[in-house]
Amino acid sequence: EAGVTQSPTHLIKTRGQQATLRCSPISGHTSVYWYQQALGLGLQFLLWYDEGEERNRGNFPPRFSGRQFPNYSSELNVNALELEDSALYLCASSATPGQGAYGYTFGSGTRLTVV
Amino acid sequence: DAKTTQPTSMDCAEGRAANLPCNHSTISGNEYVYWYRQIHSQGPQYIIHGLKNNETNEMASLIITEDRKSSTLILPHATLRDTAVYYCIVSPAGVGSARQLTFGSGTQLTVLP
Repeated sequence: EAGVTQSPTHLIKTRGQQATLRCSPISGHTSVYWYQQALGLGLQFLLWYDEGEERNRGNFPPRFSGRQFPNYSSELNVNALELEDSALYLCASSATPGQGAYGYTFGSGTRLTVV
Repeated sequence: DAKTTQPTSMDCAEGRAANLPCNHSTISGNEYVYWYRQIHSQGPQYIIHGLKNNETNEMASLIITEDRKSSTLILPHATLRDTAVYYCIVSPAGVGSARQLTFGSGTQLTVLP
């Protein structure tokens, strides 16, 4: 069974540009979660999508947005990039409600560097 | 979700048991205790979870106190590959529980040769 796949692995952007990060969940998982992990810091919750809808978002500005497609894959967009957006962006997926937190599977992340 | 408190860092000798404590004094009756770990710059990996009984799997054992206010993750024979940040998380399970996990600072476990 394929795990959660994220692309690209690494991304270098210039301040002010836009970045698009992609995530494919495990087959059968309908929920996708995005987290930001700045260097040396913990995981900060960004966004949660389920069945194509945004269910919750963390304390991040509106320039962090995303969407979930009919096949449950997801895209995270970061507009007007700032230097402090440099971080590892992790995506996780889980099945429909009832499986609990042991059903969360994380991808290997996208390392975004803003210069 | 209930808040958890973990030591910032711990060392353990290779081959010895690593015991990682976690306090969750405000845990609710419907909240499970979950443990994840994150090896440097990789995505977190699920280890084990439990409600009130002790649990064991191929990776670790989880001991939950009777009042459920604290728990201990035990890696019975730590290896160098177990060096990672270990996160203790409490979260509900069951219908409607698919929601984001809240990660604290975790414990940096360093297994020494």
